[in-house]
Amino acid sequence: DARVTQTPRHKVTEMGQEVTMRCQPILGHNTVFWYRQTMMQGLELLAYFRNRAPLDDSGMPKDRFSAEMPDATLATLKIQPSEPRDSAVYFCASAPDSRNEQFFGPGTRLTVL
Amino acid sequence: GEDVEQSLFLSVREGDSSVINCTYTDSSSTYLYWYKQEPGAGLQLLTYIFSNMDMKQDQRLTVLLNKKDKHLSLRIADTQTGDSAIYFCAEREGGSYIPTFGRGTSLIVHP
Repeated sequence: DARVTQTPRHKVTEMGQEVTMRCQPILGHNTVFWYRQTMMQGLELLAYFRNRAPLDDSGMPKDRFSAEMPDATLATLKIQPSEPRDSAVYFCASAPDSRNEQFFGPGTRLTVL
Repeated sequence: GEDVEQSLFLSVREGDSSVINCTYTDSSSTYLYWYKQEPGAGLQLLTYIFSNMDMKQDQRLTVLLNKKDKHLSLRIADTQTGDSAIYFCAEREGGSYIPTFGRGTSLIVHP
């Protein structure tokens, strides 16, 4: 049963701390997306990768957010330093190629105090 | 830019039909999707339709597309409590990698 996995599922941290969220895309999927979901803004695209190369990260605040794919089985999203306004659910999704539907992970619920 | 709009809430009685509506602005949309998000989970693709189709049916789900009015709807027949979730409409151009999602419609099913 192939699924996108994300860790941690929940994270509570204090303002100013570094946060790292991890995603394991479905094996064989070559496109990975990071989204942020909040009540106010809905679902926002932060970044996406194709074949591990970043193609678009225009939705991501560059001063504190960074996204990488160290290898094909791992995508990371880092926030440093974190702020209370970063509190949200962060989803990773993968797709077998860029033109098919996306498969979402269960999300990481981040709370920054 | 592209925009996808949905009403935020829909409340129905168990056993009735639910109709969730969506409008979009991008006339180049090629693929239109419905995703379902259950509490504490990610989005899951329910169904999709190509822009050259008017209707698609899959068991209790019926998708209707009015391309002229840029209107998409999802009908759930015999709605059950397990259908309570947030339903997202999304559209994507054929040449784009990125779908545009609506804000989601919370479907509440009561006895």
